[in-house]
Amino acid sequence: EAQVTQNPRYLITVTGKKLTVTCSQNMNHEYMSWYRQDPGLGLRQIYYSMNVEVTDKGDVPEGYKVSRKEKRNFPLILESPSPNQTSLYFCASSLTAGEGYGYTFGSGTRLTVV
Amino acid sequence: SQQGEEDPQALSIQEGENATMNCSYKTSINNLQWYRQNSGRGLVHLILIRSNEREKHSGRLRVTLDTSKKSSSLLITASRAADTASYFCATDGWEGGGADGLTFGKGTHLIIQP
Repeated sequence: EAQVTQNPRYLITVTGKKLTVTCSQNMNHEYMSWYRQDPGLGLRQIYYSMNVEVTDKGDVPEGYKVSRKEKRNFPLILESPSPNQTSLYFCASSLTAGEGYGYTFGSGTRLTVV
Repeated sequence: SQQGEEDPQALSIQEGENATMNCSYKTSINNLQWYRQNSGRGLVHLILIRSNEREKHSGRLRVTLDTSKKSSSLLITASRAADTASYFCATDGWEGGGADGLTFGKGTHLIIQP
């Protein structure tokens, strides 16, 4: 089944403890992206990747890192999480960017930083 | 980056009625997409309309696009309880060739009363 898989689904952590949220897609998509969703603010893009080894900042990149060493994986790294990063995170992928393809989203990761 | 703005924020109708949601955006686009999100879950792509199209249908969904007014509407006909969800419009702009991906609105929360 074509899908984007995120792990974990739920995570509670303490301020400052590094964490990684994994994202993997099995559709050979070139484009991958991370969003966070907050009440009243909608979805905001954190980082995106056009292809392997090509990443760039979205609208809210502060406090986050990403890497794209393989086409299928696009992990989101929080080096020193803070409570304002408590949010619902989504990974998404698309065949390519800017060509009018829809996105496939993962099921989300609900992160709480205390 | 531009952002779609859905209207209304919330809509409650009886099962069997039609539901109409609107989206306005600010700058030129390549295409506009609509997504559905069931509570806390990942977004699901519904339909895409390109900037040179005015109307598109998919099952019970009808999307219109008016680029002169920078607006789009999503019509769901003969609504069902399972249509209860949040609906988001997303614009794929032309800045940077669309590489920065989709920009989402804040969504319309649709409730279908049985």
